[in-house]
Amino acid sequence: GAVVSQHPSWVICKSGTSVKIECRSLDFQATTMFWYRQFPKQSLMLMATSNEGSKATYEQGVEKDKFLINHASLTLSTLTVTSAHPEDSSFYICSASSGNEQFFGPGTRLTVL
Amino acid sequence: KQEVTQIPAALSVPEGENLVLNCSFTDSAIYNLQWFRQDPGKGLTSLLLIQSSQREQTSGRLNASLDKSSGRSTLYIAASQPGDSATYLCAVRPKGGSEKLVFGKGTKLTVNP
Repeated sequence: GAVVSQHPSWVICKSGTSVKIECRSLDFQATTMFWYRQFPKQSLMLMATSNEGSKATYEQGVEKDKFLINHASLTLSTLTVTSAHPEDSSFYICSASSGNEQFFGPGTRLTVL
Repeated sequence: KQEVTQIPAALSVPEGENLVLNCSFTDSAIYNLQWFRQDPGKGLTSLLLIQSSQREQTSGRLNASLDKSSGRSTLYIAASQPGDSATYLCAVRPKGGSEKLVFGKGTKLTVNP
């Protein structure tokens, strides 16, 4: 299947700082990418849908000014957690769509101290 | 609103046993259904994708069935191995313009040697 990468795989930061997570589709072009977060022992929660060249669509309850999404090219989407707080600590996973199927990245573990 | 339920939440079996994981969804208007595997602290690996027009898909020791009218899918794992231990997630893509997936909470499988 298609390969999706995420960088970094884990990050630890101080409260109040901003953290950027990259999601790349390595061998295909993805017009749509998705960002999820997953709390321990919970399923994935969709945060937003990212379309290349346009503004992201956020799910209800997700603060768009807190979680900035940029989808600058057909192979790259970024999620920036601004002014991170301990409650933002979570596992963030992206996926890239080929049109019929979503392929998931390996995830990024964010820990905010 | 589409909801996906997976039963059981956890399952422990001895090595070599055949087993079935269950997934049910409330709205039969789906585009496709996917089964994923997630290892601890990792992203999702797609196992099988069943289109709404299909009744089953097979890959190696895995067989997934879909009964759209009753809102059910099963993942059958033959001759289980310790390496099959993971959390198995079921997700449906509702019909419509969006490519969003709706996930179940998963079944945590442990295969004991």
